[in-house]
Amino acid sequence: DAKTTQPNSMESNEEEPVHLPCNHSTISGTDYIHWYRQLPSQGPEYVIHGLTSNVNNRMASLAIAEDRKSSTLILHRATLRDAAVYYCILRDRIQGAQKLVFGQGTRLTINP
Amino acid sequence: NAGVMQNPRHLVRRRGQEARLRCSPMKGHSHVYWYRQLPEEGLKFMVYLQKENIIDESGMPKERFSAEFPKEGPSILRIQQVVRGDSAAYFCASSRQRQGELAETQYFGPGTRLLVL
Repeated sequence: DAKTTQPNSMESNEEEPVHLPCNHSTISGTDYIHWYRQLPSQGPEYVIHGLTSNVNNRMASLAIAEDRKSSTLILHRATLRDAAVYYCILRDRIQGAQKLVFGQGTRLTINP
Repeated sequence: NAGVMQNPRHLVRRRGQEARLRCSPMKGHSHVYWYRQLPEEGLKFMVYLQKENIIDESGMPKERFSAEFPKEGPSILRIQQVVRGDSAAYFCASSRQRQGELAETQYFGPGTRLLVL
């Protein structure tokens, strides 16, 4: 699996938008970009994924750069419950690598 | 639709004992994955199973660890002769049968926290 690079930590305030960056300069044409998060003392939770176009769901938005070498997870209005470690993961859609390869992720702190 | 269930949630063992961790996948899911998270570290893949088959065990330690996913019942991760270094959170995830060329989303359980004294 291709490597991703994320900041170790970020901090934001409640009710404000949060932009979590991820660099994946060696991404291949068949890699999907997935985001998971892990709340304290819980298992990871799927957030969103995309291939080329920007994606929106009830949890977040995913903005993918035109060259696909980076992406940004956007939480439009952070709440205290969004405090978690966020993982950006690449998954090959063709080769079918089933395992998720987690990096260190970004630890997001939300200030009240 | 219940999520992925794991039990026990907490398990304490003395060195040399056996630990058995159970995982019931979501309804309709036939793929199970086990991950381990050591204290203050990231999640590491251990093993991927489909019903009655081990598909990928590249992350499993060669000794003392084994996994199964029988035709009936939960998936079991078994650790024999536990040592202090086995203390970790063990997470199970499940997914549906692969649809076409897309890798299916994995849904995680709450984990089993193993403490070896």
